[in-house]
Amino acid sequence: SQTIHQWPATLVQPVGSPLSLECTVEGTSNPNLYWYRQAAGRGLQLLFYSVGIGQISSEVPQNLSASRPQDRQFILSSKKLLLSDSGFYLCAWGSGYTPSEQYFGPGTRLTVT
Amino acid sequence: AQSVTQLGSHVSVSEGALVLLRCNYSSSVPPYLFWYVQYPNQGLQLLLKYTTGATLVKGINGFEAEFKKSETSFHLTKPSAHMSDAAEYFCAVNLQGGKLIFGQGTELSVKP
Repeated sequence: SQTIHQWPATLVQPVGSPLSLECTVEGTSNPNLYWYRQAAGRGLQLLFYSVGIGQISSEVPQNLSASRPQDRQFILSSKKLLLSDSGFYLCAWGSGYTPSEQYFGPGTRLTVT
Repeated sequence: AQSVTQLGSHVSVSEGALVLLRCNYSSSVPPYLFWYVQYPNQGLQLLLKYTTGATLVKGINGFEAEFKKSETSFHLTKPSAHMSDAAEYFCAVNLQGGKLIFGQGTELSVKP
């Protein structure tokens, strides 16, 4: 069966510091991968998605970036965090075929102070 | 263009009462529709999905949803609410390339 991992589970970082969140998927190959952000009391905002190694599409311009160095690894990064980067970050995977549901990881709670 | 509207950001029901969470969609192509549940500080869990075929879809935890093309709706129901159903619920519709558009979510509270 497929599983998806995210770490760290929680993170408190000062403004201006770098960020690296990691997501890995097990039990499937060549998945589509997604990064979402969920701000307090709001819905899900798609940040990035990837259909393959090194292929990243950005949905919202901001100071975040994503990379996919391996087939089942997806990394979200920032060089300098802003207060507005606080939120709950969710990674998800899907088969990429239509119809395709997505399966979510447990999330990372990021607080920028 | 596809979009999803969830009517009611907060819904409160008594334990044992009917749960009805509303979702309307807009899609230029035959839609594939999903309901997810999110418990506090957790990821989203797929409750059920509609792709093709039977318009009444049964999911986990006793939930079901009915696809009504004429009403462009995909409302989520459960005959009898349980305290453990308290969570946030998201409706979603597919986009090309495997992407989903999510509604803003409905927070369900269950009163004893």
